[in-house]
Amino acid sequence: ETGVTQTPRHLVMGMTNKKSLKCEQHLGHNAMYWYKQSAKKPLELMFVYSLEERVENNSVPSRFSPECPNSSHLFLHLHTLQPEDSALYLCASSQGPGSYEQYFGPGTRLTVT
Amino acid sequence: AQSVTQLDSQVPVFEEAPVELRCNYSSSVSVYLFWYVQYPNQGLQLLLKYLSGSTLVKGINGFEAEFNKSQTSFHLRKPSVHISDTAEYFCAVSRNAGKSTFGDGTTLTVKP
Repeated sequence: ETGVTQTPRHLVMGMTNKKSLKCEQHLGHNAMYWYKQSAKKPLELMFVYSLEERVENNSVPSRFSPECPNSSHLFLHLHTLQPEDSALYLCASSQGPGSYEQYFGPGTRLTVT
Repeated sequence: AQSVTQLDSQVPVFEEAPVELRCNYSSSVSVYLFWYVQYPNQGLQLLLKYLSGSTLVKGINGFEAEFNKSQTSFHLRKPSVHISDTAEYFCAVSRNAGKSTFGDGTTLTVKP
């Protein structure tokens, strides 16, 4: 497996469920990101991890909980979500922040019912 | 603070015609500039980047962009588009050791 992978690709969950999104990068990068992409809205940066330490949290509701156990894996734990949380969740990685381009996974299409 | 403005939300164009997708940025310091493409049901993919040096940058799939510091622009161009170029295009800016800021995206639709 190469690049950035995300699982699952599609997820339907009820508002009382708990689920997790998984991201894995095989590029040897040190920084990983979670983005939310909703229809008709710009890309929203949610969290940034650098060397496994969270360096940015853009006022994301606590029902989203990230976890970065090592530099290759990133999780997004979901609980008691709202219908407006339905979106495409994209994971990305880069060698480091700033000048380095980001490599994106294919995303997880989340639908909250 | 830095910001990115993509001046056109939608650009329809006929196949084999030239296209320009416009991007302006604002920043008080030197920046790095990127263009990404997103095909349906996929993540974003880097088209090209400007870090320093020559202001004309060539990328994949025949795209190129020109960095214009005086006009704070980084417009994306292709001399002849194909149906397969239909996608969403994002301009992004970052500063050294800082996060990237993405524009709202431009939907390019290539018609036969």
